[in-house]
Amino acid sequence: AAGVIQSPRHLIKEKRETATLKCYPIPRHDTVYWYQQGPGQDPQFLISFYEKMQSDKGSIPDRFSAQQFSDYHSELNMSSLELGDSALYFCASSLDPRTGNAPLHFGNGTRLTVT
Amino acid sequence: GIQVEQSPPDLILQEGANSTLRCNFSDSVNNLQWFHQNPWGQLINLFYIPSGTKQNGRLSATTVATERYSLLYISSSQTTDSGVYFCAVLTGGGNKLTFGTGTQLKVEL
Repeated sequence: AAGVIQSPRHLIKEKRETATLKCYPIPRHDTVYWYQQGPGQDPQFLISFYEKMQSDKGSIPDRFSAQQFSDYHSELNMSSLELGDSALYFCASSLDPRTGNAPLHFGNGTRLTVT
Repeated sequence: GIQVEQSPPDLILQEGANSTLRCNFSDSVNNLQWFHQNPWGQLINLFYIPSGTKQNGRLSATTVATERYSLLYISSSQTTDSGVYFCAVLTGGGNKLTFGTGTQLKVEL
């Protein structure tokens, strides 16, 4: 079965640079989520989209932005990178969780290292 | 916001042992899921279980929504069960799934 695809798997950037992470959800899933997980931490919700519209926003810095495109893939754009942005970034997708049985399926994540 | 606490925070088992992991949440939820994060960082969905009991092989889960807790049972543990187990909950009408603090499990030979 198709899974959530994230790219790149690893990314190394310097401070003040920009980064773009991509996510391709499972086909027919209409909800996409982005999470950030620091070392030894639980995943922290950043932002979600339902049918290409932003639906919820969590602790996402103003330096970050995200969007979902017409083909349902999503991108997380990160600017003015800081050392503290080094983390594992996950994308997940599901059917609309408000309508019932809608387990989240996660991609393998993008490990971002800021030097 | 909702608080999601898991216990124990750390657990070491001998292969073949059974264990129970607990997830307590501070408010009503309409969606609860259990995940396993393996040592390579992959997050695998184990159960979608807002209420009731489900079983999948050696794993089973029970959620008692009225008492605001969920339990994950692991029987006949194997070394491949090692990793971090998270519960995550959804409240209200939004899409924000909040993760618990996690239980770090190590299964030894």
